[in-house]
Amino acid sequence: DIQMTQSPSTLSASVGDRVTITCRASQSINSWLAWYQQKPGKAPNLLIYKASSLESGVPSRFSGSGSGTEFTLTISSLQPDDLATYYCQQYTDYPLTFGGGTKVEIK
Amino acid sequence: EVQLVESGGGLVQPGGSLRLSCAASGFTFSDYYMDWVRQAPGKGLEWVGRSRYRAKSYTTEYAASVKGRFTISRDDSKNSLYLQMNSLKTEDTAVYYCGRGLSGTHGAFDFWGQGAMVTVSS
Repeated sequence: DIQMTQSPSTLSASVGDRVTITCRASQSINSWLAWYQQKPGKAPNLLIYKASSLESGVPSRFSGSGSGTEFTLTISSLQPDDLATYYCQQYTDYPLTFGGGTKVEIK
Repeated sequence: EVQLVESGGGLVQPGGSLRLSCAASGFTFSDYYMDWVRQAPGKGLEWVGRSRYRAKSYTTEYAASVKGRFTISRDDSKNSLYLQMNSLKTEDTAVYYCGRGLSGTHGAFDFWGQGAMVTVSS
């Protein structure tokens, strides 16, 4: 199975800060990576697919980059509505696997 | 508007069975791979399994943790996806989400249901 490791597990930042979350795969997944945002008590919401493609309707302050085994999700200017847990997911091979999540808190 | 609505969750004893349903609307269900993903209380996301569409003979994939106990099926005439869960264990306690494969066959999920809670406890 492909293991997905996210860091940090928690981060605290101020409104307007640039925030970066890292996701590492245990083997190459090319660009078959998605990022999701999950707010408390809600279903996940797709932000980014194929490592860097922004899903329709997602604010442009979210961006993704990387390929192979190392990926990043960047929020260019953190907003209060971005309080959530973020997950990466690989979809190059079965079983599909998720990272452990990064909880973003607002200072 | 795309909608996915799960139903059938509840409390079941260890060793018991439960069947979840996911009713889809707002898109051509038969054109999409559909998946189940679960989330144990306070934990992260875990993929459960996938149903491919008719052109791929409705073949399925499963996580090792549920293979042989869970069965995914679909009824395109009813726009519905199902998860039959047998031999349930306490560690199967989770919110179960159905998800739609992005662009039909992607392994990313562009729409999710609201989730159905399954509690396995004596």
